[in-house]
Amino acid sequence: EDKVVQSPLSLVVHEGDTVTLNCSYEVTNFRSLLWYKQEKKAPTFLFMLTSSGIEKKSGRLSSILDKKELSSILNITATQTGDSAIYLCAGFNFGNEKLTFGTGTRLTIIP
Amino acid sequence: GAGVSQSPRYKVAKRGQDVALRCDPISGHVSLFWYQQALGQGPEFLTYFQNEAQLDKSGLPSDRFFAERPEGSVSTLKIQRTQQEDSAVYLCASSLAQREDYGYTFGSGTRLTVV
Repeated sequence: EDKVVQSPLSLVVHEGDTVTLNCSYEVTNFRSLLWYKQEKKAPTFLFMLTSSGIEKKSGRLSSILDKKELSSILNITATQTGDSAIYLCAGFNFGNEKLTFGTGTRLTIIP
Repeated sequence: GAGVSQSPRYKVAKRGQDVALRCDPISGHVSLFWYQQALGQGPEFLTYFQNEAQLDKSGLPSDRFFAERPEGSVSTLKIQRTQQEDSAVYLCASSLAQREDYGYTFGSGTRLTVV
């Protein structure tokens, strides 16, 4: 059974800090890893990573995949209160074409 | 429509009651997925449609759960004889195709509380 584990489960930091969120996966027929941000209820897409070692960036957010270590990290620099959310990662199995999600990291930014 | 629309946003059901949750995907999206998200957990796969065909229902937790998409657009997730453990947010997502690189767009979900 495919499994995705995220750490930490929750994180509280001050505005302006830099955070690193971790994701490890055990996904058969792995093809890609996706990061989502969940505020209120609807997860919104952040990144999709398929190649190891290539960083993807979007503003203050960046992410990289390590296929050797079966892991990924999501970095957020100069955090703002609007970054407070649950961050989900998910692994895609191209055999059964399913996304398996981790439990998420709840990030809280204190002004 | 501009996004994936789900209704109702909130539903409180008495134990044993039947409920129906609706998902209106983005127009033209072939693939539609239902996920269940319990409190403090990540979304868990329930079922998947390609057009009107239900290709995978392996995640449905029991035979009380039934999903349909008769005309390949709107989908309904029905839960019969609800139980307390059914309390969760039910998320619907749609995509142009099943491949993840087409992007899954999620709706805001229906929060079901069974009392």
